[in-house]
Amino acid sequence: AQSVTQLGSHVSVSEGALVLLRCNYSSSVPPYLFWYVQYPNQGLQLLLKYTTGATLVKGINGFEAEFKKSETSFHLTKPSAHMSDAAEYFCAVSDLTYNTDKLIFGTGTRLQVFP
Amino acid sequence: DAGVTQSPTHLIKTRGQQVTLRCSPKSGHDTVSWYQQALGQGPQFIFQYYEEEERQRGNFPDRFSGHQYPNYSSELNVNALLLGDSALYLCASSPDTSSGNTIYFGEGSWLTVV
Repeated sequence: AQSVTQLGSHVSVSEGALVLLRCNYSSSVPPYLFWYVQYPNQGLQLLLKYTTGATLVKGINGFEAEFKKSETSFHLTKPSAHMSDAAEYFCAVSDLTYNTDKLIFGTGTRLQVFP
Repeated sequence: DAGVTQSPTHLIKTRGQQVTLRCSPKSGHDTVSWYQQALGQGPQFIFQYYEEEERQRGNFPDRFSGHQYPNYSSELNVNALLLGDSALYLCASSPDTSSGNTIYFGEGSWLTVV
């Protein structure tokens, strides 16, 4: 069965600093991987996804993630943090057991950005 | 093009009551899933509907039930509410049941059980 582990429930960075949010997955088949962002009192917005092809995936708002099969990781990065990046970030893997779009989420990482 | 819309946005219920939450999928999407997000947790899959039938169900009791209408809109019903049912309920839609499609989420319905 697929699962997702997000290391670090809270991450704090200064504005302009590198953002690194860690995600490791467990899957018995090639996974589909996603990063979603949730701003306070809002739903989830897709940042980026990996299905097949290029392992470095670029998303919205300057974020990118690299799929590393050997490390079973899909870490999210952004070269320079902005105050508006403060939010909760969720990594998810698609459960392919029934060939559906069921997502299995990690517990989330709250990103704080300090001026 | 409207995205996924949910109603109501907030509601308060008493233990033992029943609640119905509603969802309209993004235009062109025929698959609707429901997730429960407890405070400080990631969303947990409740069930998925496609062609008016429940295709897959997560680890939730039978108190949680759903429905999908011919226009693809969906309802989530929860009976005999417990305090632990307090959460954000998210509706998600996608074009079909093939994996890897972008799944769009609504803003959610905040349920508080007192």
